[in-house]
Amino acid sequence: DGGITQSPKYLFRKEGQNVTLSCEQNLNHDAMYWYRQDPGQGLRLIYYSQIVNDFQKGDIAEGYSVSREKKESFPLTVTSAQKNPTAFYLCASRPRRGRILLNTEAFFGQGTRLTVV
Amino acid sequence: AQRVTQPEKLLSVFKGAPVELKCNYSYSGSPELFWYVQYSRQRLQLLLRHISRESIKGFTADLNKGETSFHLKKPFAQEEDSAMYYCALIDNQGGKLIFGQGTELSVKP
Repeated sequence: DGGITQSPKYLFRKEGQNVTLSCEQNLNHDAMYWYRQDPGQGLRLIYYSQIVNDFQKGDIAEGYSVSREKKESFPLTVTSAQKNPTAFYLCASRPRRGRILLNTEAFFGQGTRLTVV
Repeated sequence: AQRVTQPEKLLSVFKGAPVELKCNYSYSGSPELFWYVQYSRQRLQLLLRHISRESIKGFTADLNKGETSFHLKKPFAQEEDSAMYYCALIDNQGGKLIFGQGTELSVKP
């Protein structure tokens, strides 16, 4: 059963703590993405990775960190530096077609809702 | 900088009425544009892509490079079309996939 899996579904964090959100895919996709979804603001790109051991900052990377040590995994760490971490986080992956990522569909996980208490 | 703008947060229509969800983009080059949809309690999923020139569930979208728009249209809305719709653009140079703010479509009986 192929797909992209985010865990956990709900996560609670105390202020000042770091927390890591998991994203795993068994679709053999090269590119992976992390988004933050807030009401009225759509999906804002946090980080993305086109290939193992490489990643780039998105539009709102401050207070977040990622790693891409394996093709199937792209964990996101929300650090204590993130001022407003309570949000819904979405992970996505896309396949590569040829040498570049052209016109390929992104597949999304079911999301993780992070709440800071 | 690349940008996708969806000016309407909420669009409410009656069943059978035509629907147009607006999307404007900013991109230097030839864009790859998509519409994604998120039904209640379901994952975000692809609805259609501009390069395919396809019609999915009665929806179509035409890329207008002069107006830098990619509006989503359907001639007769159905109640099951009620969902959140996102316009998206891929920067094929860097692989960046960016989304608009989303438009919630509500189709009333």
